[in-house]
Amino acid sequence: EIVLTQSPGTLSLSPGERATLSCRASQSVSSNYLAWYQQKPGQAPRLLIYGASSRATGIPDSFSGSGSGTDFTLTISRLEPEDFAVYYCQQYGSSPFTFGGGTKVEIK
Amino acid sequence: EVQLVESGGGLVQPGRSLRLSCTASGFTFGDYTMSWVRQAPGKGLEWVGFMRSKANGGTTEYAASVKGRFTISRDDSKSIAYLQMNSLKTEDTAVYYCTRGRRYFDYWGQGTLVTVSS
Repeated sequence: EIVLTQSPGTLSLSPGERATLSCRASQSVSSNYLAWYQQKPGQAPRLLIYGASSRATGIPDSFSGSGSGTDFTLTISRLEPEDFAVYYCQQYGSSPFTFGGGTKVEIK
Repeated sequence: EVQLVESGGGLVQPGRSLRLSCTASGFTFGDYTMSWVRQAPGKGLEWVGFMRSKANGGTTEYAASVKGRFTISRDDSKSIAYLQMNSLKTEDTAVYYCTRGRRYFDYWGQGTLVTVSS
């Protein structure tokens, strides 16, 4: 089973700042099959990125994904008030599909 | 508009069974693999399993934590996916989300809470 470790656990930033979230896998993720989700309190997760760098439908270009192998990054270029949430990475290159523990992006 | 609506959650005693339903609309249900993901209170996300479309064999895969106890099925004529949960344990307490997709999940339901407690 591939273990995904997200860091930092919490990121305290101000609106307008850049956020950089990390997701590290315990072994190489096949074909860079890595997705990112955003979850706000009381809501279901929302797909942001798949294939490590492809934005899902309707996702603004302020969100970008990068990385390969075992190291992946989600970048939010300029934080909007609605971007403060918890972010999860997920690998789907090998079963069982696994999620990281999440990074909370909070308002500083 | 794609919609997934879960139902069937509630309070159940350990060792008992429960069946969740996921009613889909806004897309051709039979063309898609449907998956379930759960989230224990205050915790992260855990993949539960999926069922492929009939065109892709209708086969299933499950997480080790639920294999042998949970069964995913589907009724394409009604656009409904099911999660049959048997021999429930307290650690199965979670919000259960129905999702579209086999690998990554592009649409999610609002979730239904299952509480396993005596």
